[in-house]
Amino acid sequence: AQRVTQPEKLLSVFKGAPVELKCNYSYSGSPELFWYVQYSRQRLQLLLRHISRESIKGFTADLNKGETSFHLKKPFAQEEDSAMYYCALSGFKAAGNKLTFGGGTRVLVKP
Amino acid sequence: GAGVSQSPRYKVAKRGQDVALRCDPISGHVSLFWYQQALGQGPEFLTYFQNEAQLDKSGLPSDRFFAERPEGSVSTLKIQRTQQEDSAVYLCASSLAGVLYEQYFGPGTRLTVT
Repeated sequence: AQRVTQPEKLLSVFKGAPVELKCNYSYSGSPELFWYVQYSRQRLQLLLRHISRESIKGFTADLNKGETSFHLKKPFAQEEDSAMYYCALSGFKAAGNKLTFGGGTRVLVKP
Repeated sequence: GAGVSQSPRYKVAKRGQDVALRCDPISGHVSLFWYQQALGQGPEFLTYFQNEAQLDKSGLPSDRFFAERPEGSVSTLKIQRTQQEDSAVYLCASSLAGVLYEQYFGPGTRLTVT
């Protein structure tokens, strides 16, 4: 069975401090990993995905297959980063790659 | 263009009532997904359509839940004889076909069963 675990429900940091959101997964095979973000009163949107190897809004995430983790990091948090963050995984089928989400981490960046 | 839209945005139903939730995907998107998000949890997969074909309904929690997409565009999620545990936000997402394409989410329908 596939599963995504985000151990922290809430992460509170000061502006300019580093922030790291933890994500661990279990999956039989090689999954694709994602981070989704939901800002206040907005819809869920893709932040970044492993296959793209991009840095978005200063965030990066490294897939560690040995530890089955995909932690999200940003060296200097900004107030606009305050949001709900979800780690998710999917398979690599040609179509119908449903997402399995973790429980989410709320990030609060204090001024 | 317009993103994924869902209606109604809020729905209050008395226990035992039937409800119908609508999803308008992005035009041209072949794939359509429904997810259920209970309070304080992440979204959970319910069902998947490729065009009009429902290819995966493994996440539907009971036979009270039924989804359709008869013309391969608009989709409706129907819940019969609603129960309190059905209270959740129901999210619809659409994408182009293929593993590389992003799922775009709608704003969700918040269902409250009293």
